[in-house]
Amino acid sequence: GENVEQHPSTLSVQEGDSAVIKCTYSDSASNYFPWYKQELGKGPQLIIDIRSNVGEKKDQRIAVTLNKTAKHFSLHITETQPEDSAVYFCAAISNAGNMLTFGGGTRLMVKP
Amino acid sequence: GAVVSQHPSRVICKSGTSVKIECRSLDFQATTMFWYRQFPKQSLMLMATSNEGSKATYEQGVEKDKFLINHASLTLSTLTVTSAHPEDSSFYICSARSHRGSGANVLTFGAGSRLTVL
Repeated sequence: GENVEQHPSTLSVQEGDSAVIKCTYSDSASNYFPWYKQELGKGPQLIIDIRSNVGEKKDQRIAVTLNKTAKHFSLHITETQPEDSAVYFCAAISNAGNMLTFGGGTRLMVKP
Repeated sequence: GAVVSQHPSRVICKSGTSVKIECRSLDFQATTMFWYRQFPKQSLMLMATSNEGSKATYEQGVEKDKFLINHASLTLSTLTVTSAHPEDSSFYICSARSHRGSGANVLTFGAGSRLTVL
Protein backbone atom coordinates (compact mmCIF):
# COMPACT_ATOMS: atom_id res chain seq x y z
CA GLY A 1 0.00 0.00 0.00
CA GLU A 2 0.86 3.67 -0.08
CA ASN A 3 3.24 5.15 2.49
CA VAL A 4 3.52 8.91 2.92
CA GLU A 5 6.35 10.48 4.90
CA GLN A 6 6.17 14.11 5.99
CA HIS A 7 8.89 16.43 7.29
CA PRO A 8 9.44 18.30 9.47
CA SER A 9 7.11 17.27 12.26
CA THR A 10 7.33 20.75 13.77
CA LEU A 11 8.26 24.03 12.15
CA SER A 12 8.61 27.41 13.78
CA VAL A 13 8.99 30.54 11.66
CA GLN A 14 8.88 34.26 12.19
CA GLU A 15 5.89 36.13 10.82
CA GLY A 16 6.57 37.15 7.25
CA ASP A 17 9.02 34.34 6.59
CA SER A 18 8.33 31.39 4.29
CA ALA A 19 7.54 27.86 5.41
CA VAL A 20 8.18 24.70 3.44
CA ILE A 21 6.81 21.26 4.26
CA LYS A 22 7.94 18.22 2.32
CA CYS A 23 6.35 14.85 1.68
CA THR A 24 7.37 11.69 -0.10
CA TYR A 25 5.16 8.88 -1.27
CA SER A 26 5.83 5.30 -2.24
CA ASP A 27 3.11 4.29 -4.71
CA SER A 28 3.94 5.49 -8.21
CA ALA A 29 0.25 5.01 -9.12
CA SER A 30 -0.78 7.85 -6.80
CA ASN A 31 -1.96 10.78 -8.84
CA TYR A 32 -3.72 13.17 -6.49
CA PHE A 33 -2.03 15.01 -3.66
CA PRO A 34 -4.08 17.24 -1.37
CA TRP A 35 -2.87 19.33 1.53
CA TYR A 36 -5.01 19.85 4.60
CA LYS A 37 -4.83 22.39 7.40
CA GLN A 38 -6.15 21.31 10.77
CA GLU A 39 -6.72 23.78 13.57
CA LEU A 40 -7.01 22.64 17.15
CA GLY A 41 -10.18 20.68 17.79
CA LYS A 42 -11.38 20.91 14.19
CA GLY A 43 -11.48 18.68 11.17
CA PRO A 44 -8.95 19.00 8.34
CA GLN A 45 -9.66 21.64 5.72
CA LEU A 46 -8.43 21.28 2.16
CA ILE A 47 -6.17 24.21 1.32
CA ILE A 48 -4.65 23.18 -1.99
CA ASP A 49 -4.23 20.08 -4.11
CA ILE A 50 -2.29 18.98 -7.15
CA ARG A 51 -2.69 16.27 -9.73
CA SER A 52 0.10 14.25 -11.21
CA ASN A 53 -0.15 15.91 -14.62
CA VAL A 54 0.88 19.24 -13.10
CA GLY A 55 4.23 20.19 -11.61
CA GLU A 56 3.23 23.25 -9.67
CA LYS A 57 0.11 25.01 -8.48
CA LYS A 58 -0.27 28.31 -6.69
CA ASP A 59 -3.09 29.96 -4.80
CA GLN A 60 -2.17 33.35 -3.35
CA ARG A 61 0.40 32.72 -0.59
CA ILE A 62 0.25 28.95 -0.92
CA ALA A 63 1.95 26.84 -3.56
CA VAL A 64 2.50 23.14 -4.05
CA THR A 65 5.16 21.49 -6.18
CA LEU A 66 5.25 17.89 -7.36
CA ASN A 67 8.16 15.83 -8.60
CA LYS A 68 6.72 12.58 -9.91
CA THR A 69 10.07 11.09 -10.75
CA ALA A 70 11.34 11.53 -7.24
CA LYS A 71 7.91 10.90 -5.74
CA HIS A 72 7.91 13.93 -3.54
CA PHE A 73 5.76 17.01 -3.20
CA SER A 74 6.05 20.14 -1.12
CA LEU A 75 3.88 22.87 0.36
CA HIS A 76 5.20 26.41 0.31
CA ILE A 77 3.64 29.19 2.37
CA THR A 78 5.01 32.67 1.79
CA GLU A 79 4.59 35.76 3.96
CA THR A 80 3.41 33.64 6.86
CA GLN A 81 0.93 35.06 9.32
CA PRO A 82 0.07 33.99 12.87
CA GLU A 83 -3.24 32.58 11.61
CA ASP A 84 -1.28 30.14 9.48
CA SER A 85 -0.33 28.36 12.71
CA ALA A 86 -1.91 24.91 12.58
CA VAL A 87 -1.11 21.31 11.77
CA TYR A 88 -0.69 20.60 8.09
CA PHE A 89 -1.15 17.17 6.54
CA CYS A 90 -0.12 16.03 3.11
CA ALA A 91 -1.87 13.07 1.54
CA ALA A 92 -1.78 10.89 -1.52
CA ILE A 93 -4.41 8.89 -3.34
CA SER A 94 -4.59 6.90 -6.56
CA ASN A 95 -7.60 6.41 -8.78
CA ALA A 96 -7.12 2.71 -8.48
CA GLY A 97 -7.30 2.93 -4.72
CA ASN A 98 -10.08 4.32 -2.65
CA MET A 99 -8.02 5.41 0.29
CA LEU A 100 -6.37 8.68 1.16
CA THR A 101 -3.07 8.07 2.92
CA PHE A 102 -1.93 10.87 5.20
CA GLY A 103 1.52 12.00 6.16
CA GLY A 104 2.33 12.31 9.85
CA GLY A 105 1.56 16.02 9.98
CA THR A 106 3.59 19.17 10.54
CA ARG A 107 2.85 21.53 13.38
CA LEU A 108 3.54 25.02 12.06
CA MET A 109 4.00 27.85 14.51
CA VAL A 110 4.23 31.39 13.19
CA LYS A 111 5.64 33.77 15.76
CA PRO A 112 4.39 37.34 15.61
CA GLY B 1 -18.44 24.13 -1.87
CA ALA B 2 -19.08 20.70 -0.44
CA VAL B 3 -19.98 20.65 3.24
CA VAL B 4 -19.87 17.72 5.62
CA SER B 5 -21.64 18.06 8.93
CA GLN B 6 -20.67 15.89 11.86
CA HIS B 7 -22.63 15.56 15.09
CA PRO B 8 -22.08 15.66 18.00
CA SER B 9 -18.90 17.70 18.17
CA ARG B 10 -18.25 16.57 21.73
CA VAL B 11 -19.61 13.72 23.76
CA ILE B 12 -18.78 12.42 27.21
CA CYS B 13 -20.12 9.06 28.25
CA LYS B 14 -19.72 6.46 30.93
CA SER B 15 -17.78 3.30 30.31
CA GLY B 16 -19.98 0.56 28.87
CA THR B 17 -22.40 2.81 27.05
CA SER B 18 -22.73 3.19 23.29
CA VAL B 19 -22.28 6.41 21.39
CA LYS B 20 -23.51 7.26 17.90
CA ILE B 21 -21.81 9.83 15.69
CA GLU B 22 -23.50 11.13 12.56
CA CYS B 23 -21.88 12.32 9.38
CA ARG B 24 -23.98 14.12 6.78
CA SER B 25 -23.13 15.48 3.36
CA LEU B 26 -25.21 18.64 3.20
CA ASP B 27 -25.15 19.67 -0.43
CA PHE B 28 -24.05 16.59 -2.29
CA GLN B 29 -24.62 12.88 -2.37
CA ALA B 30 -21.86 10.64 -1.10
CA THR B 31 -21.90 6.98 -1.99
CA THR B 32 -18.69 6.59 -0.03
CA MET B 33 -17.79 8.06 3.31
CA PHE B 34 -14.72 7.43 5.43
CA TRP B 35 -14.26 7.29 9.17
CA TYR B 36 -10.96 8.26 10.75
CA ARG B 37 -9.63 8.25 14.27
CA GLN B 38 -7.05 10.72 15.49
CA PHE B 39 -5.14 10.54 18.75
CA PRO B 40 -3.55 13.70 20.21
CA LYS B 41 -0.67 15.01 18.14
CA GLN B 42 -0.99 12.19 15.65
CA SER B 43 -2.14 11.82 12.10
CA LEU B 44 -5.52 10.58 10.95
CA MET B 45 -5.87 6.81 10.80
CA LEU B 46 -8.51 5.35 8.52
CA MET B 47 -10.86 3.07 10.41
CA ALA B 48 -13.33 2.08 7.74
CA THR B 49 -14.90 2.92 4.43
CA SER B 50 -18.64 3.32 4.53
CA ASN B 51 -20.53 2.34 1.40
CA GLU B 52 -24.13 3.34 0.86
CA GLY B 53 -26.37 0.33 0.83
CA SER B 54 -23.70 -2.20 1.64
CA LYS B 55 -21.42 -3.29 4.43
CA ALA B 56 -18.55 -1.12 5.51
CA THR B 57 -14.99 -2.11 4.79
CA TYR B 58 -12.84 -2.06 7.90
CA GLU B 59 -9.12 -1.51 8.08
CA GLN B 60 -6.92 -4.13 9.64
CA GLY B 61 -7.06 -4.06 13.40
CA VAL B 62 -10.40 -2.24 13.63
CA GLU B 63 -13.11 -4.29 15.32
CA LYS B 64 -16.25 -4.19 13.22
CA ASP B 65 -18.41 -5.30 16.14
CA LYS B 66 -16.99 -2.49 18.24
CA PHE B 67 -17.35 0.25 15.67
CA LEU B 68 -20.65 -0.21 13.89
CA ILE B 69 -21.07 1.71 10.67
CA ASN B 70 -24.33 2.28 8.88
CA HIS B 71 -24.66 4.14 5.58
CA ALA B 72 -28.38 3.94 4.93
CA SER B 73 -28.69 6.92 2.61
CA LEU B 74 -26.59 8.89 0.16
CA THR B 75 -26.18 11.71 2.66
CA LEU B 76 -25.81 10.00 6.02
CA SER B 77 -23.33 7.63 7.59
CA THR B 78 -23.25 6.80 11.28
CA LEU B 79 -20.53 5.39 13.48
CA THR B 80 -21.59 3.73 16.72
CA VAL B 81 -18.95 3.01 19.32
CA THR B 82 -20.42 0.12 21.26
CA SER B 83 -19.66 -0.58 24.91
CA ALA B 84 -17.23 2.30 24.99
CA HIS B 85 -14.17 2.15 27.22
CA PRO B 86 -11.68 4.87 28.18
CA GLU B 87 -9.24 3.67 25.53
CA ASP B 88 -11.89 4.52 22.91
CA SER B 89 -11.56 8.18 23.84
CA SER B 90 -10.37 9.92 20.72
CA PHE B 91 -11.21 12.39 17.99
CA TYR B 92 -13.34 10.76 15.32
CA ILE B 93 -13.55 12.41 11.92
CA CYS B 94 -15.62 11.52 8.90
CA SER B 95 -15.12 12.51 5.31
CA ALA B 96 -17.11 12.21 2.13
CA ARG B 97 -16.08 12.14 -1.48
CA SER B 98 -17.46 14.91 -3.67
CA HIS B 99 -16.88 15.65 -7.31
CA ARG B 100 -15.51 18.96 -8.44
CA GLY B 101 -15.92 20.39 -11.89
CA SER B 102 -12.73 18.79 -13.14
CA GLY B 103 -14.12 15.41 -12.24
CA ALA B 104 -11.60 15.00 -9.52
CA ASN B 105 -12.60 13.18 -6.38
CA VAL B 106 -12.12 15.51 -3.44
CA LEU B 107 -12.49 14.46 0.15
CA THR B 108 -14.29 16.90 2.41
CA PHE B 109 -13.96 16.39 6.13
CA GLY B 110 -16.37 16.95 8.95
CA ALA B 111 -15.39 19.01 11.96
CA GLY B 112 -14.78 15.93 14.06
CA SER B 113 -16.31 14.46 17.19
CA ARG B 114 -14.34 14.31 20.40
CA LEU B 115 -15.34 11.30 22.45
CA THR B 116 -14.38 11.09 26.09
CA VAL B 117 -15.21 7.88 27.93
CA LEU B 118 -15.09 8.13 31.69
